[in-house]
Amino acid sequence: AQSVTQPDIHITVSEGASLELRCNYSYGATPYLFWYVQSPGQGLQLLLKYFSGDTLVQGIKGFEAEFKRSQSSFNLRKPSVHWSDAAEYFCAVGPQGAQKLVFGQGTRLTINP
Amino acid sequence: DAGVIQSPRHEVTEMGQEVTLRCKPISGHNSLFWYRQTMMRGLELLIYFNNNVPIDDSGMPEDRFSAKMPNASFSTLKIQPSEPRDSAVYFCASSLGAGLTNEQFFGPGTRLTVL
Repeated sequence: AQSVTQPDIHITVSEGASLELRCNYSYGATPYLFWYVQSPGQGLQLLLKYFSGDTLVQGIKGFEAEFKRSQSSFNLRKPSVHWSDAAEYFCAVGPQGAQKLVFGQGTRLTINP
Repeated sequence: DAGVIQSPRHEVTEMGQEVTLRCKPISGHNSLFWYRQTMMRGLELLIYFNNNVPIDDSGMPEDRFSAKMPNASFSTLKIQPSEPRDSAVYFCASSLGAGLTNEQFFGPGTRLTVL
């Protein structure tokens, strides 16, 4: 069965610092990979996705993620965080050709001024 | 453009009562998803529809839960009778078509509290 692990439940970084959120998945083949962001009291918004091709994908709000097949990872990065990036971030996977997403438990990001 | 609309945004009810959550997908979208988010279990897919037809309801926890989509612009998730362990945030999402290459757009959620 597919599974997604986000090892960090909560991360705190200073405004202007770089950020990396970890995501590891377990699946027989390369699935489709996604990162979503959830601001307090809001629904989820898609940040970026990977289907195939270039393993470094760019998303909205200055985020990027890199797919590493050998490590079964899809880590999210941002070179310089802003206070408005404080939110919860979810990694999700789904098999190619299917419609169901499996979400990780989420990482809550706090930004120190 | 309006996004996915959910109502009510907050619902407080007593154990044993019937609860109905409503969702209006984005116009033109023909896939609709219901998710539940809890601290213990995270975000789980309950059921999804393509062209108003339920495709996979394997995530529906019990027979107390039912979902319908009578037309392309409206869906309901009903819990009868409700129990305290049903307390969660319920999200509705819609996408243009089947397949994960179509982005799922999420509504703001309904926070349900069952006392």
